[in-house]
Amino acid sequence: GAVVSQHPSWVICKSGTSVKIECRSLDFQATTMFWYRQFPKQSLMLMATSNEGSKATYEQGVEKDKFLINHASLTLSTLTVTSAHPEDSSFYICSASGNNEQFFGPGTRLTVL
Amino acid sequence: EDQVTQSPEALRLQEGESSSLNCSYTVSGLRGLFWYRQDPGKGPEFLFTLYSAGEEKEKERLKATLTKKESFLHITAPKPEDSATYLCATISWVQGAQKLVFGQGTRLTINP
Repeated sequence: GAVVSQHPSWVICKSGTSVKIECRSLDFQATTMFWYRQFPKQSLMLMATSNEGSKATYEQGVEKDKFLINHASLTLSTLTVTSAHPEDSSFYICSASGNNEQFFGPGTRLTVL
Repeated sequence: EDQVTQSPEALRLQEGESSSLNCSYTVSGLRGLFWYRQDPGKGPEFLFTLYSAGEEKEKERLKATLTKKESFLHITAPKPEDSATYLCATISWVQGAQKLVFGQGTRLTINP
């Protein structure tokens, strides 16, 4: 199957700082990438849909000014958590869409102290 | 609104004890039913896509089936390494955008 990578795999930061997470599709071009958040023992919650070259579409309740998404190329999307707070601590997962299937990255564990 | 419901929430089996996981869905026009496996601290790993009622797909000890209202993931003679959370999802179109709608998952534990 297709390969999607994320970097970093985990990050710890202080409250008030910003954190950038990268999502790359390694062996195919992804017009659309998705960002999810997952809390312990819960399923994935879609945060936003990112289309290359256009603004991301955010799900209801997700603050677009707090979770900045950039999809500058067909293989890279970034999620920046701005002014992170402890309640933003979670597992963030991206996916890339190809051939009517979604392939997921390995996830990034964010811990905000 | 499209919905996906998985049952049971958690399932414990002995090694070799076959069983089935259920995924019920209500969508306006199914465009694909997906099964994923997720290990703790990792992203979901794609298993199967089913598109039409009656379709079946197999991979090692897993077999996925689809009806008009639900999908089953059958696991035959499972091994401890099959322990994981199994997620199903359908494609939903909202305001011209395609997105996956996930169920809550079934946490499967296989005891040796």
